[in-house]
Amino acid sequence: ETGVTQSPTHLIKTRGQQVTLRCSSQSGHNTVSWYQQALGQGPQFIFQYYREEENGRGNFPPRFSGLQFPNYSSELNVNALELDDSALYLCASSLAVSGSGTQYFGPGTRLTVL
Amino acid sequence: EDKVVQSPLSLVVHEGDTVTLNCSYEVTNFRSLLWYKQEKKAPTFLFMLTSSGIEKKSGRLSSILDKKELSSILNITATQTGDSAIYLCAVVPDSNYQLIWGAGTKLIIKP
Repeated sequence: ETGVTQSPTHLIKTRGQQVTLRCSSQSGHNTVSWYQQALGQGPQFIFQYYREEENGRGNFPPRFSGLQFPNYSSELNVNALELDDSALYLCASSLAVSGSGTQYFGPGTRLTVL
Repeated sequence: EDKVVQSPLSLVVHEGDTVTLNCSYEVTNFRSLLWYKQEKKAPTFLFMLTSSGIEKKSGRLSSILDKKELSSILNITATQTGDSAIYLCAVVPDSNYQLIWGAGTKLIIKP
């Protein structure tokens, strides 16, 4: 196990609702990246947080927002949910400036939007 | 535009066979290449490779990067049904730590 935890494991919401997903990074890691993975596809980068600041963002609309706390845990918030937001949401932690950039993943949150 | 391409997209073999999965990349300012195995949920880390060309091994799995060809291979020998998974390749650019992912290779091992 990587030591990265995510909650909840599964979530069902309806269109228009808002959702918050949570991630606790591996001990000693100061960087958290969030990904969306649709069935049969590779992970799509949403954004990355380093020391509580957003450190890059993928091609996702502003209704996807995030936060990183002083203990380096993180939240992903999605407003005005759409059917296409149904996916596996992955959080990965890493130690920035570690040399390799290796990221370690949590178990993911499966979001279903009805 | 930076991209990572994996091939084949899917592969079906029998237990005991050897498989080779490919990952090619076009990424400016390459730092490292990562291989992950994904079963039902989150990807699990397998190997990290750099331009040094050093082969990495773990049991029946091995991987190496060819910096001239801008590609990497992942070999699995004496495959077992437990090797069935999606194998993902990702490149870490030197400019930031935002991974660029391939679409994955779905490997099915038949008994």
